[in-house]
Amino acid sequence: KNEVEQSPQNLTAQEGEFITINCSYSVGISALHWLQQHPGGGIVSLFMLSSGKKKHGRLIATINIQEKHSSLHITASHPRDSAVYICAVRSRGETSGSRLTFGEGTQLTVNP
Amino acid sequence: NAGVTQTPKFQVLKTGQSMTLQCAQDMNHEYMSWYRQDPGMGLRLIHYSVGAGITDQGEVPNGYNVSRSTTEDFPLRLLSAAPSQTSVYFCASSRGHWDYGYTFGSGTRLTVV
Repeated sequence: KNEVEQSPQNLTAQEGEFITINCSYSVGISALHWLQQHPGGGIVSLFMLSSGKKKHGRLIATINIQEKHSSLHITASHPRDSAVYICAVRSRGETSGSRLTFGEGTQLTVNP
Repeated sequence: NAGVTQTPKFQVLKTGQSMTLQCAQDMNHEYMSWYRQDPGMGLRLIHYSVGAGITDQGEVPNGYNVSRSTTEDFPLRLLSAAPSQTSVYFCASSRGHWDYGYTFGSGTRLTVV
């Protein structure tokens, strides 16, 4: 079993729909990252969180440390949101900021 | 522009050849790392560095070498390329070890024939 599991693997939505992508992890963590990988391959960091909730524009990320679960929500989805969304965690006690464990990603397609 | 610069973007190698993937950042980040991305798998850590002169192995280090002689540069060397090293490679940097955000390079698509 992977340390980081994402669901769903693939998600197709209509423009305007509310989207949720889930991330579950099995280890104690100090931080969780959500990343976006564009169709061209570039990776952008969206959020880093260790508790609670963060919001940036139409994107909202939440984390429940006790349940070892995080969600990424996209409100009023748009075709330009089509990308792979990747969850990554840093294990608690890991002193190096470079050691992230990644989920396999969720491929999101938003149709007009 | 500030960020992480990776070169080349594409490369085809023959089995047994060696090459270096370049990674440079101009943000004075302490932490740099190399990942490979393969279909159906998450990004996997190859090597990382917590500062100039300090490197360590990640999850899949075999067949790769790194060095960190300066804060800015973190090259990845393939010693003798194998078809199993066909992948997309990403370099990333981070400001410090207490959970700062990551900046990724644009990736290098490597094919070994």
